Amino acid sequence: AQKITQTQPGMFVQEKEAVTLDCTYDTSDPSYGLFWYKQPSSGEMIFLIYQGSYDQQNATEGRYSLNFQKARKSANLVISASQLGDSAMYFCAMRDWALTGGGNKLTFGTGTQLKVEL
Amino acid sequence: EAQVTQNPRYLITVTGKKLTVTCSQNMNHEYMSWYRQDPGLGLRQIYYSMNVEVTDKGDVPEGYKVSRKEKRNFPLILESPSPNQTSLYFCASSSDRDTDTQYFGPGTRLTVL
Repeated sequence: AQKITQTQPGMFVQEKEAVTLDCTYDTSDPSYGLFWYKQPSSGEMIFLIYQGSYDQQNATEGRYSLNFQKARKSANLVISASQLGDSAMYFCAMRDWALTGGGNKLTFGTGTQLKVEL
Repeated sequence: EAQVTQNPRYLITVTGKKLTVTCSQNMNHEYMSWYRQDPGLGLRQIYYSMNVEVTDKGDVPEGYKVSRKEKRNFPLILESPSPNQTSLYFCASSSDRDTDTQYFGPGTRLTVL
């Protein structure tokens, strides 16, 4: 069974500093995808970044990068130069290609609440 | 604009009163899904649909029904809501390409008294 673990319920970071949000996953399948979503206080789910299990390089999207360590089964999100608008809940999620009938189901972690301070 | 819409955004109802939450997408996506979000549990899949007239249970389907008569619409039906179905509900859609992300609707906050 798939599982996503986010061990940091809450984190604080000062504006303009970098922050790493941890995510570990568990799957027995060789083909999978990892996603990070941001949920601001308004509630919507915003896609941030994607990493495929066969991708050779770590994914980057602007100030977001994914530190993918396949052997350790970790997919940490790094936010550089934090801004006040980065304050939100962040979810790590995994999609397992080998699931039959599961379609594009995402398995989510429990989230990390990030607070950016002045 | 590509989007997933849900209605209503907020709903307060009473136990046992049937309700439907609508979901519509304008991206011609094959795949649609419903999730519920509860504190400390993240998002959990309720039902999903691979295409028109193809639906199946997710991880927490009890107490819910869905239908997919048209590609763009995927309503969530609660025949007899109970207080434990008080939650934040998200509809999502994606293409059937492996690397495609899921696009989420704005969410529906449901309270069952």
